[in-house]
Amino acid sequence: NAGVTQTPKFQVLKTGQSMTLQCAQDMNHNSMYWYRQDPGMGLRLIYYSASEGTTDKGEVPNGYNVSRLNKREFSLRLESAAPSQTSVYFCASSEGGLGTGLWGSIYNSPLHFGNGTRLTVT
Amino acid sequence: KQEVTQIPAALSVPEGENLVLNCSFTDSAIYNLQWFRQDPGKGLTSLLLIQSSQREQTSGRLNASLDKSSGRSTLYIAASQPGDSATYLCAPKHPGNKLVFGAGTILRVKS
Repeated sequence: NAGVTQTPKFQVLKTGQSMTLQCAQDMNHNSMYWYRQDPGMGLRLIYYSASEGTTDKGEVPNGYNVSRLNKREFSLRLESAAPSQTSVYFCASSEGGLGTGLWGSIYNSPLHFGNGTRLTVT
Repeated sequence: KQEVTQIPAALSVPEGENLVLNCSFTDSAIYNLQWFRQDPGKGLTSLLLIQSSQREQTSGRLNASLDKSSGRSTLYIAASQPGDSATYLCAPKHPGNKLVFGAGTILRVKS
């Protein structure tokens, strides 16, 4: 009953270092998302993937890249970390996605979240 | 650009009280609105999802309403318990498959 699993849980980087945050879901969901959560700013969408093989930018994509490796996995990469990227990162998934047929199912399925990765960039 | 506001920002109540959390949004062109709870150091748990054609949804002691035309949603919690203490977030969903989150209401239920 794992749901959405994120690794690592905590990470400290120095400015300029790179790293990849991993996310996997075992619910056979079509859509996957990466959010960041900062105090006083709520959650903001970085990138999302509506189906395997597709990715789209969200509200704050600069400084990040993503890969939808397969239906289960969606990774987020920081190529050159900056202090402004200190945040808590959440991966999420939902059943709806491109090609699921019904318009309603694409947009009306709830999101399921992982427990987050707390990243500090010094 | 969609803006989501949640009032109050924080709320402290004694156990057993009924309470209402408010969410307002500026763009009424939404597909649905989802309410989440977040426990400290944890991810978000989906509580209720109201589709744009619905007026309310109920799950146990929780009832969420949606007035899309006025850009408002409320989450009603009946007979609150200490285990309800958490941050509650609302998120309307837009065309383009994007949720926009409010900053949340921090709820503390005192025993």
